[in-house]
Amino acid sequence: SAVISQKPSRDICQRGTSLTIQCQVDSQVTMMFWYRQQPGQSLTLIATANQGSEATYESGFVIDKFPISRPNLTFSTLTVSNLSPEDSSIYLCSVGTDEQYFGPGTRLTVT
Amino acid sequence: EDQVTQSPEALRLQEGESSSLNCSYTVSGLRGLFWYRQDPGKGPEFLFTLYSAGEEKEKERLKATLTKKESFLHITAPKPEDSATYLCAVEAAGNKLTFGGGTRVLVKP
Repeated sequence: SAVISQKPSRDICQRGTSLTIQCQVDSQVTMMFWYRQQPGQSLTLIATANQGSEATYESGFVIDKFPISRPNLTFSTLTVSNLSPEDSSIYLCSVGTDEQYFGPGTRLTVT
Repeated sequence: EDQVTQSPEALRLQEGESSSLNCSYTVSGLRGLFWYRQDPGKGPEFLFTLYSAGEEKEKERLKATLTKKESFLHITAPKPEDSATYLCAVEAAGNKLTFGGGTRVLVKP
């Protein structure tokens, strides 16, 4: 199994600012995924990040709002831009194929 | 569009009272069905992946089964530490998971 860490674990941000979330994995992986979990809801896939190529976004998510970087096989960042209260959620990264593992999540509160 | 529906939304059990959670799905080309446990404030913890109808997997008091249209997570003689939200997800293509809404399980001593 993979060990995944995320930074920050939580943050409170002002409306209109941006937050960058880091995801670090203890082994090299081809694909990394970013999910959003809104309060009281289940998980929704934002995008898939492959090293060396542009991220692939799911319907309803756009690169301008959720830019993703994937500079190497163990690291990725997700930026949530131009924050609004509706962006208050937990953001999670995951890796794996037959067994997909999740990081601990980043709890974002927008005021 | 892939869809996953979990029932019930919430389940209250007495310690030792066995029960089952349901996950029904519609997906074009199922590659795998995943079960996760999620505790408050934490990321989902991987439990099982099932690949084909008839497959079963067990871990401690949990047993997952799969048919062509649904999966069940059986909790046998649950303990309070089994209290959590249990999430079901399907994988169609590209290792992307579609999650159900989850079942919140509370086991009272």
